Amino acid sequence: DAKTTQPTSMDCAEGRAANLPCNHSTISGNEYVYWYRQIHSQGPQYIIHGLKNNETNEMASLIITEDRKSSTLILPHATLRDTAVYYCIVRVHNAGNMLTFGGGTRLMVKP
Amino acid sequence: GAGVSQSPSNKVTEKGKDVELRCDPISGHTALYWYRQSLGQGLEFLIYFQGNSAPDKSGLPSDRFSAERTGGSVSTLTIQRTQQEDSAVYLCASSQDPAGQVYGYTFGSGTRLTVV
Repeated sequence: DAKTTQPTSMDCAEGRAANLPCNHSTISGNEYVYWYRQIHSQGPQYIIHGLKNNETNEMASLIITEDRKSSTLILPHATLRDTAVYYCIVRVHNAGNMLTFGGGTRLMVKP
Repeated sequence: GAGVSQSPSNKVTEKGKDVELRCDPISGHTALYWYRQSLGQGLEFLIYFQGNSAPDKSGLPSDRFSAERTGGSVSTLTIQRTQQEDSAVYLCASSQDPAGQVYGYTFGSGTRLTVV
């Protein structure tokens, strides 16, 4: 799977949009971009994934650049409960291919 | 059930003892995964079960670790002769499709294992 690079930490003001970047410059054509988050003392939680088109669900939006070498996860109105470590993962859709978690970005939402 | 259930939530054991950790996946989920997370570290893949296929054990760190999945549902992770470096949070996840590619993985809250 392609390696991803994320900032170690970020702050965001409550109520503002949180934009979390991820670089995956070596991504191959059949690799998807996944985002998970892990709130303190809980297991990771699936957020969203995409291949090349932008995606939106009730939790977040995923913006993937045209060359697919980077992406941004957007939480439109961050709340204190969104404080967590956010993991960007790229992987091939393959039954034998497990999620590999890197260091992620620690997002702190502040009042 | 509504989510992935793991038990116990906390386990303290003496070095050298055996422990069993249990995972109840979401009903109908065919794929089940075990990960562990040491303090302040990322998640480390341990083992993967898919239906009736032979499990992928490639992540198990030593032969002291083993896992079973009975009847395609409940799974038990066993650690024999525990060592202090086994202390970690052990996380179980399940997915509706084989690779978690459509709906992602659903994780439990984990079992915090402390070996003293």
